Amino acid sequence: DQQVKQNSPSLSVQEGRISILNCDYTNSMFDYFLWYKKYPAEGPTFLISISSIKDKNEDGRFTVFLNKSAKHLSLHIVPSQPGDSAVYFCAASAKTGANNLFFGTGTRLTVIP
Amino acid sequence: EAGVVQSPRYKIIEKKQPVAFWCNPISGHNTLYWYLQNLGQGPELLIRYENEEAVDDSQLPKDRFSAERLKGVDSTLKIQPAELGDSAVYLCASSLRRVTDTQYFGPGTRLTVL
Repeated sequence: DQQVKQNSPSLSVQEGRISILNCDYTNSMFDYFLWYKKYPAEGPTFLISISSIKDKNEDGRFTVFLNKSAKHLSLHIVPSQPGDSAVYFCAASAKTGANNLFFGTGTRLTVIP
Repeated sequence: EAGVVQSPRYKIIEKKQPVAFWCNPISGHNTLYWYLQNLGQGPELLIRYENEEAVDDSQLPKDRFSAERLKGVDSTLKIQPAELGDSAVYLCASSLRRVTDTQYFGPGTRLTVL
């Protein structure tokens, strides 16, 4: 049973525009959420995270929004750059327990120059 | 600082053969994870070590998979015998401690079982 879902397998955006990647989760025990970015033939690279005590976290061009009532989070990339083209994985964990990460299936972002 | 190192990067074997993957975590990282990533899916945890102790191996198919982390540093994941369905990418990650710390991933080993 997939506890973290990314329903959009792919997304294409023009360079300079905003990219919005979405993620839903089902487990109400999750209290820490992360986004990882993956290039081909490389392992996932940590991008940004958010704790459930916040509803927004910003790091440069990347902002993650968390809506706990909807069990939904999103990653905004503004402005999008061609180097952002990669697969983005949403992940969640329950810090009160172990630090096991549960990943979504990923969204492939293509930024068109 | 060196990242998580994995070898080999690619491995092709015949079914029923054994195979082993090696991981060296970031220096000083006490927690080590092995993940399985099937095509089109996200990584799924196989086993987690804290130092040399396997604290969560509930998702490890123990009939054919085994892992060890002697001396609490590098780790080996073994499959014996391999099956066609084991074809996937095997990722190793490490973090400083168990809770709240970011997991850093290695490049993975892509296994193809023929």
